Amino acid sequence: KAGVTQTPRYLIKTRGQQVTLSCSPISGHRSVSWYQQTPGQGLQFLFEYFSETQRNKGNFPGRFSGRQFSNSRSEMNVSTLELGDSALYLCASSLAGLGNTIYFGEGSWLTVV
Amino acid sequence: QQQVKQSPQSLIVQKGGISIINCAYENTAFDYFPWYQQFPGKGPALLIAIRPDVSEKKEGRFTISFNKSAKQFSLHIMDSQPGDSATYFCAALYSGGGADGLTFGKGTHLIIQP
Repeated sequence: KAGVTQTPRYLIKTRGQQVTLSCSPISGHRSVSWYQQTPGQGLQFLFEYFSETQRNKGNFPGRFSGRQFSNSRSEMNVSTLELGDSALYLCASSLAGLGNTIYFGEGSWLTVV
Repeated sequence: QQQVKQSPQSLIVQKGGISIINCAYENTAFDYFPWYQQFPGKGPALLIAIRPDVSEKKEGRFTISFNKSAKQFSLHIMDSQPGDSATYFCAALYSGGGADGLTFGKGTHLIIQP
């Protein structure tokens, strides 16, 4: 059974640009959640989607957005990139939600220069 | 406001010893407390989780102890092995949903010396 797949794995963007990250959950999983990991702030919850609806949202500015498609695949977008957005962005999936076992992908490393 | 405080930040334990990592939370609505293990270059992986209706849960060499009145929970790794060297995160969740989603501790970098 394939795990959570995130693309791209590594990317470099310039301040002010936007970026879109993609996540393919484990087959059959309907919940997809996104996290930002940095050395200073650690792991922080961004948002969760279930059946194409955003169900939970963390305390991040509106520049961070996401969506989920009917096949449960998800994308997150960060607009007007700032240097502080440099981080590892992790996607996780689960059968029904955050209170179930969630499985993380290996993440997308974003560097903003 | 840091809702889940984890300590220590780093920990060195001899092979065969007991590794203990502690977490304290503030929100009494939290009702799910997982621990994650993360190796360099990998995403976190669920290690063990507990709900507040039990005080202890054991899976192999890993045990969670939970103290609801003190709002604290801890991870014990018995017979620690070099392969356990990783970063460990505690987390807390209110299953009813809300802005916090999964709230993580800052992590503990564990090194098991052979």
